[in-house]
Amino acid sequence: EVLLVQSRAEVKKPGESLKISCMGSGYSFTSYWIGWVRQMPGKGLEWMGIIYPGDSETRYSPSLQGQVTISVDKSASSAYLQWSSLKASDTAVYYCARLQGGYNYEEVDYWGQGTLVTVSS
Amino acid sequence: QPVLTQSSSASASLGSSVKLSCTLGSGHSTYIIAWYQQQPGKAPRYLMRVDSGGSYNKGSGVPDRFSGSTSGADRYLTISNLQSEDEADYYCETWDSHTPVVFGGGTKLTVL
Repeated sequence: EVLLVQSRAEVKKPGESLKISCMGSGYSFTSYWIGWVRQMPGKGLEWMGIIYPGDSETRYSPSLQGQVTISVDKSASSAYLQWSSLKASDTAVYYCARLQGGYNYEEVDYWGQGTLVTVSS
Repeated sequence: QPVLTQSSSASASLGSSVKLSCTLGSGHSTYIIAWYQQQPGKAPRYLMRVDSGGSYNKGSGVPDRFSGSTSGADRYLTISNLQSEDEADYYCETWDSHTPVVFGGGTKLTVL
């Protein structure tokens, strides 16, 4: 069974750093792209970026590039989303998701349970 | 990049059918799309992919009440025999070699 398990909810202050995680199991972790999707309160789904664990190739959404860093640790079957300086506008639920199709990605077929990040002074 | 347009809301009565649409933007009418269901407070769930010929392939465990179809640049999700648990937000998604993930704005379905 394919599972994506994300780290727990976080409450942070503006300016703080944060790294959240997503651990994949039940499939060959290095053979499928992993993506991160943001859902701000009451809003729709927004793609942030994807990473291919096999070689760490990363692609970012042009609107979010430079604001976050996506990384992977193959040995831990985990992908990460990182901020160096959080803003209140980063408050959202963040989902990791697997893209099917291997290196030639296709649609998202599995989702993590989501990590709520709250940024407030 | 491809653009997906969805109606913001839809409603239908318990036990009836509803057809949700997702329209591909100009120049992308042959693209495959995928449908997702997001129940309140939960993560999205993969429902199916629908291609330009109207063929659809459902994800594991998706009830037979859910089906897909196509007309030109429009991709549809039809839910038959509506149940209360079908009340949710529904998103479509597509992709290409330059843009890995594009979501539609989502349709909020209310079951009356």
